[in-house]
Amino acid sequence: QSALTQPASVSGSRGQSITISCTGTGSDVGSFNLVSWYQQHPGKAPTLLIYEVSQRPSGVSDRFSGSQSGNTASLTISGLRAEDESDYYCCSYAGASTWVFGGGTRVTLL
Amino acid sequence: QMQLQESGPGLVKPSETLSLTCTVSGASIRGSIYYWAWIRQSPGKGLEWVGSLSHSGSSYYSPSLKSRVTISADTSRSRFSLKMSSVTAADTAVYYCARTTMAVTSPGSYAMDVWGQGTTVTVSS
Repeated sequence: QSALTQPASVSGSRGQSITISCTGTGSDVGSFNLVSWYQQHPGKAPTLLIYEVSQRPSGVSDRFSGSQSGNTASLTISGLRAEDESDYYCCSYAGASTWVFGGGTRVTLL
Repeated sequence: QMQLQESGPGLVKPSETLSLTCTVSGASIRGSIYYWAWIRQSPGKGLEWVGSLSHSGSSYYSPSLKSRVTISADTSRSRFSLKMSSVTAADTAVYYCARTTMAVTSPGSYAMDVWGQGTTVTVSS
């Protein structure tokens, strides 16, 4: 069970859209439509942004959206804002009641 | 509203056993659609799933930690614990407990939708 692969950093200008990729294998991302995404500000606990690839919990902005193609899931942040500067993690259910996280992506504003 | 709170020693000596507890308020850990997870984050690193406890009391572990980790429920039904043996400096991390909803199409399904604030554990002599 290896960690999912995310880019270490992604940057964009205010108002732009950015996309963070999350690549797994046919044993995790590709087998289950059960990818979730988390936002983590420094010194804080992660918070859930997306579940089941593209579903948003109540209260999460619709500027955050998720998708998946094969073994790669993606998180898109539209209309980038200063408060979106944070670390983002993907996670996939990997079967047999196990989960695997990605290495994390730092989003910065240019 | 459900809340989770981690507790335990902040300092553990190398080769000893790390013991943490997660207290759940607002729900029973025997609720039929929830699993209860431990996740850790080493300094400057990413999140790592450590293991989960099912509503029926079964436990599941990361393959890389399985030989050293035990997750169990407290008989009070509102707490669950993590024990990690033979710790080294590599186990120094912030440890989080979290809830997972195990029902597809339910809000937050198969995701960690409620988190504790985390507790820092340092392994050092």
